[in-house]
Amino acid sequence: NAGVTQTPKFRVLKTGQSMTLLCAQDMNHEYMYWYRQDPGMGLRLIHYSVGEGTTAKGEVPDGYNVSRLKKQNFLLGLESAAPSQTSVYFCASRTSNYEQYFGPGTRLTVT
Amino acid sequence: RKEVEQDPGPFNVPEGATVAFNCTYSNSASQSFFWYRQDCRKEPKLLMSVYSSGNEDGRFTAQLNRASQYISLLIRDSKLSDSATYLCVLPQANQAGTALIFGKGTTLSVSS
Repeated sequence: NAGVTQTPKFRVLKTGQSMTLLCAQDMNHEYMYWYRQDPGMGLRLIHYSVGEGTTAKGEVPDGYNVSRLKKQNFLLGLESAAPSQTSVYFCASRTSNYEQYFGPGTRLTVT
Repeated sequence: RKEVEQDPGPFNVPEGATVAFNCTYSNSASQSFFWYRQDCRKEPKLLMSVYSSGNEDGRFTAQLNRASQYISLLIRDSKLSDSATYLCVLPQANQAGTALIFGKGTTLSVSS
């Protein structure tokens, strides 16, 4: 039981490049989330999904897109990366009791 | 009042000390509360869940005060390994509980 995994762990992009972050969970959770964490800002919700085939915007969705084609996977896309998107990205899934489990994070730098 | 508010600290305590953090919340209808621990450059990890008046797990005790709308985390006999940031978390009020609101965290540093 791996829990929540994220790939890649680190990435450096140039401004304007695109990339996809992959999140996978093996706990059969319906709910999945993407957050970004910046110094002094805490965790901010980007997008979330309440089940396969559904997505919804969170607090800071601009510049990101997501897809949930399979229940166990939640993808976060950056179509045209900007330096403001330099951050640590965490994926999470949660139980019906709201207990949330996080992946190890992706450290993204946009130059 | 902000949805979730925590004293950022840092709290600097010696080994063996007892330390308590408070977290205030604005939604009086909240039923579930959580404390997460986050080590530097790591993901948050669930420490305790609180669904009623409180919860206890070893050296850690969480207590809920619904009248004053705060939840506390008490750590007894602090260890060096307790040094971390502690996040207070509640289900989000305006989205039918589909997302969680995270406080910005309280930093604890335990020294020998």
